[in-house]
Amino acid sequence: GQQLNQSPQSMFIQEGEDVSMNCTSSSIFNTWLWYKQDPGEGPVLLIALYKAGELTSNGRLTAQFGITRKDSFLNISASIPSDVGIYFCAGQLTTDSWGKFQFGAGTQVVVTP
Amino acid sequence: GAVVSQHPSWVICKSGTSVKIECRSLDFQATTMFWYRQFPKQSLMLMATSNEGSKATYEQGVEKDKFLINHASLTLSTLTVTSAHPEDSSFYICSAQAPDHRDRSLNYGYTFGSGTRLTVV
Repeated sequence: GQQLNQSPQSMFIQEGEDVSMNCTSSSIFNTWLWYKQDPGEGPVLLIALYKAGELTSNGRLTAQFGITRKDSFLNISASIPSDVGIYFCAGQLTTDSWGKFQFGAGTQVVVTP
Repeated sequence: GAVVSQHPSWVICKSGTSVKIECRSLDFQATTMFWYRQFPKQSLMLMATSNEGSKATYEQGVEKDKFLINHASLTLSTLTVTSAHPEDSSFYICSAQAPDHRDRSLNYGYTFGSGTRLTVV
């Protein structure tokens, strides 16, 4: 079953605002991934995190691997209309084989002009 | 780099028939491929892990006789939905893992196909 809690479920923001979302769990993860999915498409990898405390940026996106290894957050700065989509976190449990990921429920981001 | 091609992108079939979905890694060899299922407005649920040259590992609750997986080469995995029923209608997505998955370049991380929308009528 799903072991990740992703929040918020949805966000309605104005263009130019910053966006923040996170995933938490009671379990320990050794890898965190953040994806964006557009309607009818497969997810596209945004950021991969491999070490506790790691902070990684990809353009206007910044993600961090929590120190406790039980959480991760994704920030989007200065949002633009093309940031619209569903963002998923994915984590690999330390007890799972390499490549097997648990997915969060997703955060729907809507950007208004 | 790291392109995963999934085909078909959508398919409509009659109840009781079988449907095959292909997942190909175009520019890298994928020793492992994963098959996911996604219901509308829901998250991705892992169905099975496909390893080249060996039997697939299915997640709890997934019927292996209904969802047949074949990973005959390092670039191709197929998912066959046998005797499809309307409740099998869903968005099926594959992902492929390159051996150098630790490469910090995003192009060789965990790459997903574009998905297959299956509708069983």
